Amino acid sequence: AQSVAQPEDQVNVAEGNPLTVKCTYSVSGNPYLFWYVQYPNRGLQFLLKYITGDNLVKGSYGFEAEFNKSQTSFHLKKPSALVSDSALYFCAVRDSSGAGSYQLTFGKGTKLSVIP
Amino acid sequence: NAGVTQTPKFRVLKTGQSMTLLCAQDMNHEYMYWYRQDPGMGLRLIHYSVGEGTTAKGEVPDGYNVSRLKKQNFLLGLESAAPSQTSVYFCASSGQGVHNEQFFGPGTRLTVL
Repeated sequence: AQSVAQPEDQVNVAEGNPLTVKCTYSVSGNPYLFWYVQYPNRGLQFLLKYITGDNLVKGSYGFEAEFNKSQTSFHLKKPSALVSDSALYFCAVRDSSGAGSYQLTFGKGTKLSVIP
Repeated sequence: NAGVTQTPKFRVLKTGQSMTLLCAQDMNHEYMYWYRQDPGMGLRLIHYSVGEGTTAKGEVPDGYNVSRLKKQNFLLGLESAAPSQTSVYFCASSGQGVHNEQFFGPGTRLTVL
């Protein structure tokens, strides 16, 4: 079975400061990892993904994430937060092998608030 | 290029009524999905399809049925709505291959009284 944990329900950060949204995962095979963002009353938008290769992945709007296999983590980061980054962030995982690999399992989400 | 669209945007049903949610995508994607989003629960997969004419159960399929008669459309049906099905429903699509990201529609907010 595959699972994702986002240990923080909410993260508050001052505008201009670096931000980190945490994600850990569990799969039996190799993971495909994704980050999505949801603005109020909108659908989810894709930010970035890790499939294979370089552990540091760069995505949309200046976000990046680092894949750490030993810690089974895929934390989302941004060097300088903007007020417009305030939203709900979801980490998701898919096992690259075995049954159920069509299914993408989402974490419960982390609400990011950037304070002016 | 509209991406993924969902109809309707809002709906209120009484317990026992039926309805169909329509999802359409214009990206020629093979895979389509239906999720529900509940507060504090993240997104949970209801049903999915890996091609025209095929469907499969997800994590929470009970009380729902789906059909994929055309590649661009994926319908979600509630035969007898229950208050527990009050939720926001999202449709998504992706290209063939499990490494591809999913593209989401704007959602349908359903209330069952």
